[in-house]
Amino acid sequence: DADVTQTPRNRITKTGKRIMLECSQTKGHDRMYWYRQDPGLGLRLIYYSFDVKDINKGEISDGYSVSRQAQAKFSLSLESAIPNQTALYFCATSEPKGADTQYFGPGTRLTVL
Amino acid sequence: QKEVEQNSGPLSVPEGAIASLNCTYSDRGSQSFFWYRQYSGKSPELIMSIYSNGDKEDGRFTAQLNKASQYVSLLIRDSQPSDSATYLCAVNKRAAGNKLTFGGGTRVLVKP
Repeated sequence: DADVTQTPRNRITKTGKRIMLECSQTKGHDRMYWYRQDPGLGLRLIYYSFDVKDINKGEISDGYSVSRQAQAKFSLSLESAIPNQTALYFCATSEPKGADTQYFGPGTRLTVL
Repeated sequence: QKEVEQNSGPLSVPEGAIASLNCTYSDRGSQSFFWYRQYSGKSPELIMSIYSNGDKEDGRFTAQLNKASQYVSLLIRDSQPSDSATYLCAVNKRAAGNKLTFGGGTRVLVKP
């Protein structure tokens, strides 16, 4: 089984709809991240959480919110989706110590019409 | 100026040749450096990490770091068609709370 899972894997929604992307991990890592990736661009950090009570904005948090329900679960919400939020979204995890390597989930392809 | 810059490519390489990828970064406080490989539509996967100046080799991959010049490079020896992917450079600035900043990626095409 995959260590980092994301649901849904693909989603098409309409402008103005609320949508939630979910991420779960079995790696036992404390730190979790949400990124978006647009064609030709690298990964941009939306939000990150270093533990259940520690949530921080990344470089592009406007229009997004997150919830860290447990160590293993980190959800990303788009309160009112807009077309320029169409992108590939990745969740990642990392350990607090050591190499700071991040491990990525399979991604969610989101299309906002 | 972007914090982490890469040539977007595509970098076209004959099979069996060496592919050389470069990445420059702007923050001298950067301490950890990573190369991720990403196949189209898939998630990034770590292939190399490097923390100190010099070379680090792992199989066909060699990462090179020069903090004075603020660049990190990746060499892929004996390139194979399966190496065709986008390679993302990522930098960790510990002062920023252990967050990774990614470059835009270099697309590599290995031609048989």
